Amino acid sequence: QSVLTQPPSVSGAPGQRVTISCTGSSSNIGSPYGLHWYLQLPGTAPKLLIYGDTNRPSGVPDRFSGSKSGTSASLAITGLQAEDEADYYCQTYDGSLSAWVFGGGTKVTVL
Amino acid sequence: EVKLVESGGGLVEPGGSLRLSCAASGFTFTYAWMNWVRQAPGKGLEWVGRIKSKTDGGTIDYAAPVKGRFTISRDDSKNTLYLQMDSLETEDTAVYYCTRITVFRGVWDAFDIWGQGTMVTVSS
Repeated sequence: QSVLTQPPSVSGAPGQRVTISCTGSSSNIGSPYGLHWYLQLPGTAPKLLIYGDTNRPSGVPDRFSGSKSGTSASLAITGLQAEDEADYYCQTYDGSLSAWVFGGGTKVTVL
Repeated sequence: EVKLVESGGGLVEPGGSLRLSCAASGFTFTYAWMNWVRQAPGKGLEWVGRIKSKTDGGTIDYAAPVKGRFTISRDDSKNTLYLQMDSLETEDTAVYYCTRITVFRGVWDAFDIWGQGTMVTVSS
């Protein structure tokens, strides 16, 4: 059971918008540690997609956007493309556990 | 090119030991905070432990499931991070990734560079 809760899967047609939720508590998402998102393509290592709730590293398309409110966060993918089919993980630091924690991951399927 | 390359994975019996290495290049390893993260087959990501740079005190922290069994160390002269794994259990079977931590805007610690991973299988 992951400390951060994500839906196991979401799907959408090409060009559509999908969102992935990430729910936590006051000791992790609700604290000012920053919520980050990672993308893992099949058979590859994870890659940083969003840092500090809403910021994209250089090279990440602006189709990806993050938001956070209270103890929940979301990742939105607009203009869904076949290459976006992957697993997505949210992550932050948990002050009560003194540990970095991940969500269980969400598999995005492009229909 | 910024790069992390893990090695040392393999098959080991329960109760055995293994040492993983992570060779860093393309950035100043001496000042980097580094992590190990693992992923069991078909499962999600799990943080294993972190080591700060020596200039920041060299503090090491571990996740609860590995504390007392795993040891993280670094050799800055070789630009290499290590993970010594002792008393291995079947539940430790996973791909092990080394990652770099970058503090974005002086506030947010995120894992911005990942190696390709090395597989560790604990089985009799």
